[in-house]
Amino acid sequence: RKEVEQDPGPFNVPEGATVAFNCTYSNSASQSFFWYRQDCRKEPKLLMSVYSSGNEDGRFTAQLNRASQYISLLIRDSKLSDSATYLCVVKMVLMEYGNKLVFGAGTILRVKS
Amino acid sequence: DTEVTQTPKHLVMGMTNKKSLKCEQHMGHRAMYWYKQKAKKPPELMFVYSYEKLSINESVPSRFSPECPNSSLLNLHLHALQPEDSALYLCASSQVTGNEQYFGPGTRLTVT
Repeated sequence: RKEVEQDPGPFNVPEGATVAFNCTYSNSASQSFFWYRQDCRKEPKLLMSVYSSGNEDGRFTAQLNRASQYISLLIRDSKLSDSATYLCVVKMVLMEYGNKLVFGAGTILRVKS
Repeated sequence: DTEVTQTPKHLVMGMTNKKSLKCEQHMGHRAMYWYKQKAKKPPELMFVYSYEKLSINESVPSRFSPECPNSSLLNLHLHALQPEDSALYLCASSQVTGNEQYFGPGTRLTVT
């Protein structure tokens, strides 16, 4: 089983739509979670951290369900500029080596006018 | 300022060349990373430096050699690469390992 799994999509949605992505992780000891977005041929950019209580930043809402080991990202009122690949990222603790982030394969979102 | 800079932006090298990629951050971060990314794939971790010491090497071939001269700089020395090493090489930094990472724009490497 992959450490972080995402539906690759693509999700094709009209402008103004609400779209949700889910991500599951295998290590129940994981503690920190993030969503990144990556535009074509650009570097990943941090979209938001995901907190246990859930968090919202404008049109974006992230939720964490520890019992089911999944993270979600909800985008409301989609804009053309939201078209990108969304990467789910989980912190893995390596006891003797420190920590590293594990990236999911990404979910492609295409917003169309 | 959450800027990580990388040079060069593009690099074309032959299989017998030696070249270096450079990365710099001035955010006071103590963890720095090298990733390799192929088209339509997520970034793949290569090396982690924590407090200027190599803490993780993800079984990367020895033709890739990282170096951390100081807390702001990270280099990746390349020697005798193969065409399959062509990819986008991303540098990232974070306050400490496991925190959110900030990526540089990457170096697009082509090995001929």
